[in-house]
Amino acid sequence: GQSLEQPSEVTAVEGAIVQINCTYQTSGFYGLSWYQQHDGGAPTFLSYNGLDGLEETGRFSSFLSRSDSYGYLLLQELQMKDSASYFCAVRDRVYNQGGKLIFGQGTELSVKP
Amino acid sequence: DTAVSQTPKYLVTQMGNDKSIKCEQNLGHDTMYWYKQDSKKFLKIMFSYNNKELIINETVPNRFSPKSPDKAHLNLHINSLELGDSAVYFCASSQYSQQISGRAKAGEQFFGPGTRLTVL
Repeated sequence: GQSLEQPSEVTAVEGAIVQINCTYQTSGFYGLSWYQQHDGGAPTFLSYNGLDGLEETGRFSSFLSRSDSYGYLLLQELQMKDSASYFCAVRDRVYNQGGKLIFGQGTELSVKP
Repeated sequence: DTAVSQTPKYLVTQMGNDKSIKCEQNLGHDTMYWYKQDSKKFLKIMFSYNNKELIINETVPNRFSPKSPDKAHLNLHINSLELGDSAVYFCASSQYSQQISGRAKAGEQFFGPGTRLTVL
């Protein structure tokens, strides 16, 4: 089967750093994406790791270890507007599948003042 | 200059009815998707089209029928609606050919605003 595990909720204070972990077990693996979704909104792309290592985009960084089937999203200098759900998603490595994404169940991040 | 748009935004209907949701993208992408997000926020792919060809068809009841008249449009028709169909349906798009060539991030898809379907 295919499964992705991430914590259901995380709470942190403004200005802090938070790490959201994701472990996966999938039949194919082409890379790990992270998406943010505010209540009532659409998922929006944050980052993608196709290779092991760290990718940095502003306050957000994402890490992947393919040998450990593990990745994380790191959010620095937290702001109230970062309160949202964060999803990890595995890109299935099936050829000609048009980029099929398998999503985790999401982590609800609450940022407190 | 909306990238991916869906209509309607809200849909309230009775069990047994047939309804359609429309999606359009103006990004010039070659691949479009339908996702279902349930009340627990679990996001699951239903269908994907690449250049109007159906390439992903997950385990979805055949009451759901997608149609892609051209690369920029992907519609979803649902027959004989059931209570369990209540969810938010998201359309998304990506440029698969550029992802394969490395010119676009492979895990990036652009989502529409969603259609909240409520079946009474």
